[in-house]
Amino acid sequence: SSELTQDPAVSVALGQTVRITCQGDSLRSYYASWYQQKPGQAPVLVIYGKNNRPSGIPDRFSGSSSGNTASLTITGAQAEDEADYYCNSRDSSGNLVVFGGGTKLTVL
Amino acid sequence: QVQLVESGGGLVKPGGSLRLSCAASGFTFSDYYMSWIRQAPGKGLEWVSYISSSGSTIYYADSVKGRFTISRDNAKNSLYLQMNSLRAEDTAVYYCARDLDYGGNSNFDYWGQGTLVTVSS
Repeated sequence: SSELTQDPAVSVALGQTVRITCQGDSLRSYYASWYQQKPGQAPVLVIYGKNNRPSGIPDRFSGSSSGNTASLTITGAQAEDEADYYCNSRDSSGNLVVFGGGTKLTVL
Repeated sequence: QVQLVESGGGLVKPGGSLRLSCAASGFTFSDYYMSWIRQAPGKGLEWVSYISSSGSTIYYADSVKGRFTISRDNAKNSLYLQMNSLRAEDTAVYYCARDLDYGGNSNFDYWGQGTLVTVSS
C-alpha cells in the first residue's frame, strides 16, 4: 500500500484563497478525492476525479493535480468552510484505499 | 434520497465479536461497490474494507485482515461487517459509504451517520 501526506493544519483569512495539498506516489496514477468533515458529522465528498463537484458543492471548491501532488483550492473561503479536509485514492496496487491524515482548516 | 443507516455498534470486551449492519435505500444497491471506513476518537479516517457490487471482489486494510469479514445481501439492500478478535485499537466510529465508480478510484459520495464501536474491558 502507499501513504497520502497532508499538512496537519492550514489557516486562511475570510474571503481569501487557500490550497490544501495531498502527496503520495499513488497520485501519479489516480486522482484524489476530497472530503470535508465538520465536528460530529460524517464526511462529505467535495471533489472527485480531475475536478468534479457533486451536486450542492459550491463552485469555490476546485481540485487539481500535478505529479504526486493533489490540491484542493477554496477560492474566497467562507466561515462555514472551517472543517477537517481529507484526501483519498486507491493505493499504487489499485486494490486498496488510502486516506491522507487530514488537514484542519481554520478561517480567520 | 440516498440513505445509509448503520447499526450494531456498542461496547465489547477485547477478543470479542460484533456485527455491524448498514441498511441502504434510495438507490439501486446492487449497482455499487460499498466500503466500511472508520474513525478513531479524535483521529483521521481509515478505510477498512470494500466489496464489489456482486460481492465477488473484496479487499481489507492490513490492520483488519483475517479478523473482519465484509459481506452484502443485495436482496435486502444491506451491507455487513463481522468483526472478530476485537482489539482496543478497533475503537472507532464505523461508517458505511457508497463508492461512486469514477476514474477507477474510490470516491465515497454518500456516508451513513456512523455507529460507535468501543472495545474495552
